[in-house]
Amino acid sequence: AQSVTQLDSQVPVFEEAPVELRCNYSSSVSVYLFWYVQYPNQGLQLLLKYLSGSTLVKGINGFEAEFNKSQTSFHLRKPSVHISDTAEYFCAVAPSGYSTLTFGKGTMLLVSP
Amino acid sequence: GAGVSQTPSNKVTEKGKYVELRCDPISGHTALYWYRQSLGQGPEFLIYFQGTGAADDSGLPNDRFFAVRPEGSVSTLKIQRTERGDSAVYLCASSLTGGTTYNEQFFGPGTRLTVL
Repeated sequence: AQSVTQLDSQVPVFEEAPVELRCNYSSSVSVYLFWYVQYPNQGLQLLLKYLSGSTLVKGINGFEAEFNKSQTSFHLRKPSVHISDTAEYFCAVAPSGYSTLTFGKGTMLLVSP
Repeated sequence: GAGVSQTPSNKVTEKGKYVELRCDPISGHTALYWYRQSLGQGPEFLIYFQGTGAADDSGLPNDRFFAVRPEGSVSTLKIQRTERGDSAVYLCASSLTGGTTYNEQFFGPGTRLTVL
């Protein structure tokens, strides 16, 4: 079985500041890793994914994440956030070669001017 | 093209009643997933269809929950004898295929179920 821990339930930042949203996972098998974003009153949207290969993955809207196998982490980063990045962010994991996702509890990113 | 649609967007029912939630996947997607998102939690897997058959129903919490996909397209999640603890947002996702090849899951907007 897999599990995902998002260490922060809420992260407040000022506009144009950098941000890191933390994600740690647990799995006895190799995994795929994902970050999804959920804007208010909208469905989940895939931000980025790690399947294999380079451990630094880039996604939409200037976000990136780094897979660290030794620390079982997949933290999400953005060098300069915008007001429009205010949303809930979910880290998710799936066993490699398998489809169903296990999600963390989410981190609410609050960007203020 | 059209994304995943779910109806109704909101459903309020009374404890003990039966409800049906519908999901229309993206045309041509053979894999369909149901998740449940309770307040303050991330989505939790319920069931996965590949075509018409349930390939994995290990996430269904008990036998009050059942889902069908008779023609390999639209799916209905059915909940019998609803309980207040069933209140949540029910999410549907579809992907081109499932199984061992990765295909992105596209999520619908969800159905918010409230059991009074």
